[in-house]
Amino acid sequence: GAGVSQSPSNKVTEKGKDVELRCDPISGHTALYWYRQSLGQGLEFLIYFQGNSAPDKSGLPSDRFSAERTGGSVSTLTIQRTQQEDSAVYLCASSPQGAAYNSPLHFGNGTRLTVT
Amino acid sequence: GDSVTQMEGPVTLSEEAFLTINCTYTATGYPSLFWYVQYPGEGLQLLLKATKADDKGSNKGFEATYRKETTSFHLEKGSVQVSDSAVYFCALKTGANNLFFGTGTRLTVIP
Repeated sequence: GAGVSQSPSNKVTEKGKDVELRCDPISGHTALYWYRQSLGQGLEFLIYFQGNSAPDKSGLPSDRFSAERTGGSVSTLTIQRTQQEDSAVYLCASSPQGAAYNSPLHFGNGTRLTVT
Repeated sequence: GDSVTQMEGPVTLSEEAFLTINCTYTATGYPSLFWYVQYPGEGLQLLLKATKADDKGSNKGFEATYRKETTSFHLEKGSVQVSDSAVYFCALKTGANNLFFGTGTRLTVIP
């Protein structure tokens, strides 16, 4: 079946603009994660959704970052007033079960964001 | 806090050479440990995992043993192939929501 789908695959934007990144998880997966990968850095956790529970937003780096997950499926990560340091690859992952289990994460190919 | 320290790359090996990528961790609880791999042009995928001390995860000829005494989870393969060229990430989870990743190690295998 289809894997995790992210769009766009590449996004170039001017400093100060808002951007929206989309993630379509695998159908039926209840858990959804957003990570950020900057050049030379590991994967930085941003936010986690599990079913209808309140999301874990503890990784969001500033209040310019927000995310929604509608109907327990598609998720949108929004970055307002983008800065150059926001340039990175944004990865989405889904999992069939919540964080209490050791089920693997299924990653999308990411969105490469470049802020000029 | 919980963290993973991973061997810096890049690593370049000849085909059939022995591979070790070091990974050590710091965790307050009893973590589960993972190796993820990212092949060129593909998304990250789970390579292997171990959920308790002394467990050995294995897949595609790769192995890693969960060593609590040395807080390590080193990845090994006895004979690498060109197709193993990828970026490898060590990761841990302690039951919280987050999966902590290392910085990744790029492996290039030359024929």
